[in-house]
Amino acid sequence: QVQLVQSGAEVKKPGSSVRVSCKASGGSLRDYTITWVRQAPGQGLEWVGRITPRLGIENHALKWKDRLKLRADKSTRTVYLDLSSLTSDDSAVYYCARENRETYHIGWLDPWGQGTQVTVSS
Amino acid sequence: DIQMTQSPSSLSASVGDRVTITCQASQDISSHLNWYQQRPGKAPNLLIYTASNMNAGVPSTFSGSGSGTKFTLTISSLQAEDAATYYCQQFHELPPTFGPGTKLEVK
Repeated sequence: QVQLVQSGAEVKKPGSSVRVSCKASGGSLRDYTITWVRQAPGQGLEWVGRITPRLGIENHALKWKDRLKLRADKSTRTVYLDLSSLTSDDSAVYYCARENRETYHIGWLDPWGQGTQVTVSS
Repeated sequence: DIQMTQSPSSLSASVGDRVTITCQASQDISSHLNWYQQRPGKAPNLLIYTASNMNAGVPSTFSGSGSGTKFTLTISSLQAEDAATYYCQQFHELPPTFGPGTKLEVK
């Protein structure tokens, strides 16, 4: 049974960058897509992007432009989210989740990591 | 992007009640709709996938239905531990989008 374990909370200055990691425990990420979702304080869920490690394919919302980069290290079963030029609007809990699919090219998210709090403050 | 709406935004019900939450998509999404439960301070948890398929371990009091643009999540007999916020999510096209959530209080 795969579990996703995320890195710890981060406090960053505006304009800096952050890296959040998501490691698969008890299984491999190789055949799956990992999705990132974030949740600002008191707000709903926002899809950030996804990466398929086996294919090296990344998709993310257009709003991120060049600020977001998703990476995968297959040898350590770890996926990384790198976000640059941080502003206070990026303060949120960032979740990773495994995407499951049957015949369609997008699917459902299960399981989820425990979440990583990112706080951007001067 | 496909817009998702949910109603109601919040509700309060008693243990044993039947509860229905509605989710509407801005265009036809076939059955490409998931439901998640999020308890306070916790990560979301998958309840229902592809509109009506129950995830393993989810109580049988939960069910999902619908297709096209209108979907419902039903809790047939509300339990105290069902207090949470419920989100629908479309996966018909990228980017997958979530509804704004329905906060359920158990009296």
